[in-house]
Amino acid sequence: QLVLTQSPSASASMGASVKLTCTLSSGHSNYAIAWLQQQPQRGPRYLMTLNNDGTHTKGDGIPDRFSGSSSGAERYLTISSLQSEDEADYFCQTWGTGIRVFGGGTTLTVL
Amino acid sequence: QVQLVQSGSELKKPGASVQVSCRASGYTFTTYAINWVRQAPGQGLEWMGWVNTNTGSPTYAQGFTGRFVFSLDTSVNTAYLQINNLKAEDTALYYCARDLGTITAGTDKYFHDWGQGTLVIVSS
Repeated sequence: QLVLTQSPSASASMGASVKLTCTLSSGHSNYAIAWLQQQPQRGPRYLMTLNNDGTHTKGDGIPDRFSGSSSGAERYLTISSLQSEDEADYFCQTWGTGIRVFGGGTTLTVL
Repeated sequence: QVQLVQSGSELKKPGASVQVSCRASGYTFTTYAINWVRQAPGQGLEWMGWVNTNTGSPTYAQGFTGRFVFSLDTSVNTAYLQINNLKAEDTALYYCARDLGTITAGTDKYFHDWGQGTLVIVSS
């Protein structure tokens, strides 16, 4: 079964970096994912598609502070030089035959 | 640019029906699938299913069969979500989202463009 697992919460100080993790279920470690950001009271926003080799394609207007990387079944979103507007929920998403799947989301708090 | 504009908030009583619309612009409507996503209050994102905008064929995710209906009006580039026999647990934000990849390519089924969301409240 295709499942994405995320930690419920993360925090980091303004100006610092944070690395969020999305883990693919067993047997699906070669899947690509997308990262989405949802700021408070707003709809989701596509950040990037991230492949299993770590290559990623960002959406239009996504700052260079956002980057992706991969290791095995784990997909990472790194946000550097954290700003207050980065405080948001971050979801990973992937797809399989006949299904689309979301991770449970990580709430990022910028201290 | 690509835009998905959804209809406004709805307040409905249990047992009623509601229709949410999603009007697309900035691209060829029948080239990309439209997905529907639910977000209950304080919860994560849940995929409800998708509609093939080329054929009109809907696919419903597990848990969204029976009361949920996806439809299209390609003459006005609009997708619709209808929920029948509303229950309190249907209270949520509903989003439409367009895939990154085309229907024909059959890949890149990532949610690239999103509507602003429609709040549906079910309360007696």
